[in-house]
Amino acid sequence: GESVGLHLPTLSVQEGDNSIINCAYSNSASDYFIWYKQESGKGPQFIIDIRSNMDKRQGQRVTVLLNKTVKHLSLQIAATQPGDSAVYFCAEIPNQAGTALIFGKGTTLSVSS
Amino acid sequence: DAGITQSPRHKVTETGTPVTLRCHQTENHRYMYWYRQDPGHGLRLIHYSYGVKDTDKGEVSDGYSVSRSKTEDFLLTLESATSSQTSVYFCAISEREGSTDTQYFGPGTRLTVL
Repeated sequence: GESVGLHLPTLSVQEGDNSIINCAYSNSASDYFIWYKQESGKGPQFIIDIRSNMDKRQGQRVTVLLNKTVKHLSLQIAATQPGDSAVYFCAEIPNQAGTALIFGKGTTLSVSS
Repeated sequence: DAGITQSPRHKVTETGTPVTLRCHQTENHRYMYWYRQDPGHGLRLIHYSYGVKDTDKGEVSDGYSVSRSKTEDFLLTLESATSSQTSVYFCAISEREGSTDTQYFGPGTRLTVL
């Protein structure tokens, strides 16, 4: 079936390093992608999004890259901080009416100081 | 949490009992969604609503029903709770449909069915 997956279930980095979290998607009809951050005991929090007509989008300390050729999405976090420790999900929405988000299973980012 | 509240935040119930979870939004968004989150499965859509009294099924709708009598409230009912419905339930909202808009999530309800 159609799914969004993540390459690594866990990622451990040192404070101040740059983090890269990867995601592969399989539905070529998806035209909208979102990264969410989820801290323990909380709901997913929107970080950044990107549409399929873009390759790159930057936010505050975060950058999302989209490679449609290989169906790959990545989230880059600059100068990672302990407060960035959380589970990160990528999600896609196919270009179909009435379709909700399709989530990957998540990558747990651990930042040590 | 984007003006979204969920109640209760925690509930323990017994197999066979009905349970209703409530999602309330103050954003006046048209679209509302119910997801469940389980280890190894990520978030999966149960039901969604595209307006008052307008609802549709998601990926894992069996055993669940929903109602939306007001824009701000979306109720999820487990008609006869089973242990397989032990999960964390999240409500989400969006202003527009599907691929045109971001979904924002509430804080979640942790449900345990004994």
